[in-house]
Order: sequence, then structure tokens, then C-alpha cells
Amino acid sequence: TQLLEQSPQFLSIQEGENLTVYCNSSSVFSSLQWYRQEPGEGPVLLVTVVTGGEVKKLKRLTFQFGDARKDSSLHITAAQPGDTGLYLCAGAYDSGGSNYKLTFGKGTLLTVNP
Amino acid sequence: NAGVTQTPKFRILKIGQSMTLQCTQDMNHNYMYWYRQDPGMGLKLIYYSVGAGITDKGEVPNGYNVSRSTTEDFPLRLELAAPSQTSVYFCASGPTGYTYEQYFGPGTRLTVT
Repeated sequence: TQLLEQSPQFLSIQEGENLTVYCNSSSVFSSLQWYRQEPGEGPVLLVTVVTGGEVKKLKRLTFQFGDARKDSSLHITAAQPGDTGLYLCAGAYDSGGSNYKLTFGKGTLLTVNP
Repeated sequence: NAGVTQTPKFRILKIGQSMTLQCTQDMNHNYMYWYRQDPGMGLKLIYYSVGAGITDKGEVPNGYNVSRSTTEDFPLRLELAAPSQTSVYFCASGPTGYTYEQYFGPGTRLTVT
């Protein structure tokens, strides 16, 4: 069973602070996604990364895929209360063939206080 | 586009009852998935489908069944409900390709008592 670990599990910060959350695995991903889930709703896809070393930006959010495609980070600049939610990373493992599935981490629960 | 829709939003079942959770998508996606989400445990894959007529087990399939007769619909059947099936259930769909990115419905909160 392949494991995908996210850290930290919980993060509570003040509005305006910067933060980084991490997603790590011992296996190589063929692709990796980040999702945000708000209470009572389904996860919403934020970004997909596929190339080692790739960096993508979405407004104040910066996503980085590790060179070896085993890890990823999400950096939020000047966090706002609207960024509050559960951030999930999910990876498709490079199994040499189509496996059609994602493995999800348990998530980082972010609270941004006004 | 409505995206992925799920019904019902909430349901309370008694032990031993059965029910079907409905999922429909209007994005013409071939891939569809059912997950359950328990507090602190992340998303666990129950069943998935790569096209009409094709289904396969995920990580936690026991106690559930699925069918995929059309591209749009992917219902999840619970037979003989047990308290361990109390959870939030999410349906997702995704386009054909190697990234397997997914688009989720709003979820069904199920309580079995």
C-alpha cells in the first residue's frame, strides 16, 4: 500500500501570515493534485502538476512539484480567512500502466483567523 | 453545467436497511468514483468505473455495490446497513487521461443507527 503523508495535520494562523504545507511519498507520482475542501462540501480541484520541478501559481497560492516527483508543497502568501479549509493532496502513482486511481493524503486543516 | 450531483444530501438508516446513493455527472467523463470520508481518515476509495459497463473495487468495497449502465450515472448501493457505514460519501468524475484529476459532488451524509 502506497502512503501519501501530509504535514502539518493542523495549522492555525493570523490573517496576513505566510504558510507552507507539504505532501510526501516514498514512491514516484506520475501526477499530483491539490484540492481544497470547505466544511459540508466536496473537495475542489486547485491544480495538477505532472513535471518534476514544476511550479504553478494560482493568485496567492504557489504549488511546487519536487524534482524527483515524490513530494510537493503548497505555499500561501498573505493568508486570508477565505483560505480556511482542508487542503488535500492526491497522487497518481507511476505504476508502469494505467491504474485510474488517486491516493489521497489525510489533509492539512488550515484556519486563518481575522 | 451542473457538474456532479448527488442525492440525497442527508439520510438516516436503521441497521439492516438498504439504500441507493445516486450520482450523476453532465461533463461526459468516462471515469467515476465513490469515496467515503471519515473524520481524520481522509478519502477512501470504495468503487470506481472507467466507462459504462466497467466497474472495479477500490480500497474499502465490502458492504457496497455499484453499477454503471450509462456514462452519466454511477449509483452506489448499500445492502444491510451497519453502523460502520456511517460516513460522508462523495462521488467524483474525471476525464480520460493519465492525470486522473477528479471533480467532486457535494456529498451525502449518512447515519446508520
